[in-house]
Amino acid sequence: GAGVSQTPSNKVTEKGKYVELRCDPISGHTALYWYRQSLGQGPEFLIYFQGTGAADDSGLPNDRFFAVRPEGSVSTLKIQRTERGDSAVYLCASSPAGTSGLETQYFGPGTRLLVL
Amino acid sequence: AQKVTQAQTEISVVEKEDVTLDCVYETRDTTYYLFWYKQPPSGELVFLIRRNSFDEQNEISGRYSWNFQKSTSSFNFTITASQVVDSAVYFCALSSLGYQLTFGKGTKLSVIP
Repeated sequence: GAGVSQTPSNKVTEKGKYVELRCDPISGHTALYWYRQSLGQGPEFLIYFQGTGAADDSGLPNDRFFAVRPEGSVSTLKIQRTERGDSAVYLCASSPAGTSGLETQYFGPGTRLLVL
Repeated sequence: AQKVTQAQTEISVVEKEDVTLDCVYETRDTTYYLFWYKQPPSGELVFLIRRNSFDEQNEISGRYSWNFQKSTSSFNFTITASQVVDSAVYFCALSSLGYQLTFGKGTKLSVIP
């Protein structure tokens, strides 16, 4: 079946603008995760959804970052008043149920965000 | 706090050589999971293997093998007879909170023809 998809694949914006990044998980997966990967680094956890609710948003760097998953499927990561330091690849992953670390997370291709 | 260390930043080998990628982890939890992912130039993270903390058996899958040793907190990855298609960044990751993956900084492997 289809894997995790993310749109857009690339996004260039100006400092101070608002951006939305979309993630479409594997069909039937109830758990969804967002990570951020800076150049030369491993991915860093941002937020985890179990169904429609954010079960853990402890990785969001500040209140400019927000994510939603209103119907328990597609998720949108929203960044307000973007800063140059937000430039990174934003990765989305999903897993079947997200319980107890027993599952493998499957990643999408990422959205490369560049803030000028 | 959890931590994953991949001390090798970059490795270059000639095709058909064997190569081992090192991974050392830190966690206070007794139940945890270890993963290896491959990130080719296209950017997508590809899952390779998952091991739980109670299973120290080594695993072999084709040209890939993994050596898990709790005594040294290591989960090393060996590619036998490397090929150009193995060129990628390889990440080791740890999960013990139930969902959040903690990644190392990755090892960039270049296989030269």
